[in-house]
Amino acid sequence: ETGVTQSPTHLIKTRGQQVTLRCSSQSGHNTVSWYQQALGQGPQFIFQYYREEENGRGNFPPRFSGLQFPNYSSELNVNALELDDSALYLCASSVQGVALGYTFGSGTRLTVV
Amino acid sequence: AQSVTQLDSHVSVSEGTPVLLRCNYSSSYSPSLFWYVQHPNKGLQLLLKYTSAATLVKGINGFEAEFKKSETSFHLTKPSAHMSDAAEYFCVVSDLRDSSYKLIFGSGTRLLVRP
Repeated sequence: ETGVTQSPTHLIKTRGQQVTLRCSSQSGHNTVSWYQQALGQGPQFIFQYYREEENGRGNFPPRFSGLQFPNYSSELNVNALELDDSALYLCASSVQGVALGYTFGSGTRLTVV
Repeated sequence: AQSVTQLDSHVSVSEGTPVLLRCNYSSSYSPSLFWYVQHPNKGLQLLLKYTSAATLVKGINGFEAEFKKSETSFHLTKPSAHMSDAAEYFCVVSDLRDSSYKLIFGSGTRLLVRP
């Protein structure tokens, strides 16, 4: 049974650019959630995808968007990068309707300069 | 709105001594509560979870937590710290009325274990 895989592990972008982060969910899981963890803080919920549609969103602007694919993998896209977007981005997969069964990836460290 | 407050940003203990990491929660509904651990450059790992069953919850690696509704607390304990326990610990609440079951994290407590 494979876990959650995220790519890339590290990324450096310039302010104003766009970035795409990728996540492969754990085998058997059909839901993907994305979290942003700024330095020294706890992760914050960005959004969740189930059946290729957004199923819940946190307090993040529209320039944060996502996709889920038929194989349940997911992408997080961020447009017009700002310095404050520098953070660890975590992906978690789960089974919809089964509470409390999240598996987290190791994250993508994004640095915006 | 639900939230959790971790009362200590850093806790330092000697190896072999007890560990206590404190967490208070705020919820207008019966909460589901968790503790996660994050080792450097690794993902979050679930230590234990409370879901309105037994109030004393046992987790992995010898950790346990007690749900106290009267005190709105969910403190994490371990009888004897090991060097490998040094990590960041997060207290987390989830609202099962929300279809996304999103997790709301505290700000974290960094545990340092001295030899």
